[in-house]
Amino acid sequence: QVQVVQSGGEVKRPGASVKVSCKASGYNFINHNFNWVRQAPGQGLEWMGRINTYSGDTNLAQNLQGRVTMTADTSTRTVYMELRSLTSDDTAVYYCARDGEGLDYWGQGSLVTVSS
Amino acid sequence: AIQMTQSPSSLSASVGDRVTITCRASQAIRNDLGWYQQKAGEAPKLLIFAATTLERGVPSRFSGSGSGTDFTLTISGLQPEDFATYYCLQDYDYPWSFGQGTRVEIK
Repeated sequence: QVQVVQSGGEVKRPGASVKVSCKASGYNFINHNFNWVRQAPGQGLEWMGRINTYSGDTNLAQNLQGRVTMTADTSTRTVYMELRSLTSDDTAVYYCARDGEGLDYWGQGSLVTVSS
Repeated sequence: AIQMTQSPSSLSASVGDRVTITCRASQAIRNDLGWYQQKAGEAPKLLIFAATTLERGVPSRFSGSGSGTDFTLTISGLQPEDFATYYCLQDYDYPWSFGQGTRVEIK
């Protein structure tokens, strides 16, 4: 069965970087893109971007371009999202989600807290 | 970028009620729209994709309609487990975009 497991929560200082991982299993990894979505406390869902797990091509939200990098490692079936120059506005739960017909499988979420 | 306007932002309803949530896109998006349910502390869950297709395992009381710019999620016969927040997501063109969400509360 399909499973998507994310890395644990992290606490970062303003100005630092964070890298969240998302490991998939139970299907052919390169057949599906992955998307990243975040949710600030008490707020709605924000689409961050998507990575083609076969080619590595990405499409990113305009407000994050220049600060975010998404990568995929086919050998470990893992996608990564790195966010740089963190501010308190980046405090959120970060989700990865497989792109099937709709975002059909989601990770459990990774809480990133940015605090001095 | 395509903007998704979702309404209402919240609603109160009773068990057994019929509930309707709408999303309007700022430009035509064919039927490239999904609906997601999110309960407190959980990841979102896909309910409907391609505007009208029910995801496997989702109860048939959920239905979606619309194409172009106007879309609707209907819950026919609200159940206690349906109290949650619902989001639409357009996957027609990058950057993808969510609606603001609709919180469905118990009356």
